[in-house]
Amino acid sequence: SPELTQPPSVSVAPGQTAKITCSGDALAGHYVYWFQQRSGQAPVLVIYKHTERPSGVPDRFSGSSSRTTVTLTITGVQAEDEGDYYCQIALSGGSNPRYVFGSGTKVTVL
Amino acid sequence: EVQLLESGGGLVQPGGSLRLSCAASGFNFASYAMKWVRQAPGKGLEWVSDITGESETTFYADSVKGRFTISRDNSQNMMFLQLQSLRAEDTAIYYCAKDPEGHGYTSESFDSWGQGTLVTVSS
Repeated sequence: SPELTQPPSVSVAPGQTAKITCSGDALAGHYVYWFQQRSGQAPVLVIYKHTERPSGVPDRFSGSSSRTTVTLTITGVQAEDEGDYYCQIALSGGSNPRYVFGSGTKVTVL
Repeated sequence: EVQLLESGGGLVQPGGSLRLSCAASGFNFASYAMKWVRQAPGKGLEWVSDITGESETTFYADSVKGRFTISRDNSQNMMFLQLQSLRAEDTAIYYCAKDPEGHGYTSESFDSWGQGTLVTVSS
């Protein structure tokens, strides 16, 4: 099945900027969604359709995209942003699996 | 406020069965497709199954097709996942998740998740 590749880990000092990439040929033509998963908790949607932010998500979270790489940026990182982050796409045309998640990136706030 | 609460997980022997439930509240349940996603210990997220709002259509990952059955009861705002012929590799936290779009059909993602229920398959 298609793969979405993320860096295993990103470390960032409080107040600095964290960039998490998601890459793969499967990205082309698909909207990307980003989830935050704090330790021991359920995933939470933080970015949808490449760049949109759900209500309640702080504006320090932003998304951007090119054809085969998308990026989640956390500007002014706070301690509460520590956790795992996953990108996700939906495949079409009867594909299985219907949804593909990236390999995940652990964000550590130093 | 959307709330999703999973239950029914536990320890089961290989080859055994289990029924997971997801109780939903805070939204018009019948108007939304619902989904199951699992996460093996220390691993990433894996989509398992979808069901449309009025149960017209169901979808399964190849890894569970023929062994798992998704269903829902809109009168009770409940979704279920029947797990059969369980294998060690089915050990995971199982999350129920809500589709973002209120047209009853599946769309591209998941906008609310429950806290999950742990299924452990071991002898």
